[in-house]
Amino acid sequence: EAQVTQNPRYLITVTGKKLTVTCSQNMNHEYMSWYRQDPGLGLRQIYYSMNVEVTDKGDVPEGYKVSRKEKRNFPLILESPSPNQTSLYFCASSLLDSSYEQYFGPGTRLTVT
Amino acid sequence: DQQVKQNSPSLSVQEGRISILNCDYTNSMFDYFLWYKKYPAEGPTFLISISSIKDKNEDGRFTVFLNKSAKHLSLHIVPSQPGDSAVYFCAARGDNFNKFYFGSGTKLNVKP
Repeated sequence: EAQVTQNPRYLITVTGKKLTVTCSQNMNHEYMSWYRQDPGLGLRQIYYSMNVEVTDKGDVPEGYKVSRKEKRNFPLILESPSPNQTSLYFCASSLLDSSYEQYFGPGTRLTVT
Repeated sequence: DQQVKQNSPSLSVQEGRISILNCDYTNSMFDYFLWYKKYPAEGPTFLISISSIKDKNEDGRFTVFLNKSAKHLSLHIVPSQPGDSAVYFCAARGDNFNKFYFGSGTKLNVKP
C-alpha cells in the first residue's frame, strides 16, 4: 500500500529535550516536506526537500532541522523544543511532476511543556 | 501575513445542494492551486487542482474555478453528500515552484 508513515503519532516532551519525528514514504517520491498545523493558521511549510541531500527552508523553519540522506526518509529534528512548537505536524511527499499533488502522513501531535 | 486566505471558517449545507468554498490569494506569481480535504485524525488528501493558465477544472462532483484578476478561487461540490463533511484546505504553489502556501481551512458540514 502506498503511504507516508510518521512516528511517533503522539509525543509529550519538556522544553529543551531534543527529539526527532521520523517520516518515511514507499512511493519513490523525490519531493518531501514538513508542515505544522495550528488553529486559525492552517498548514505552514517548515522545510522541504527536492531529493537526497537537497533541502530548503519553507515559511517557518526556525527551531527545526531536517536531513535527507535516503530518498524514502525525511526526519524532522527539534534540537531544543519550546512550548511554541506545540502543534500538529504533517509529513508529505510527491513526485516532481506538473501538479505536485502531495500525499500526507497521518500527523504527529507534539506537546512541549 | 498569510498569502492564501480562507475567510469562512465553516459552512453548513443541506445534502443534495451545492457547496461553494472560497479562497483568496495575494501573490500573482502562484502558478498552481490545489484543494485538499481533511478528516479528523487523518492527514489531508488531495482533491482537485488547477493551473494558473486555466479558469476551470472539473472532476466528477468537484469543480474548481480560478479568477486570476480577482486572485480568487472557489471549489464547488454538486451535489453535496454527508461524506463530504470535512475541513477543506486551499493551497498554492509558490514563486520558486517548490514552496506551498495553505489557507486556514473551511469546515464543511453536509446535513442529511
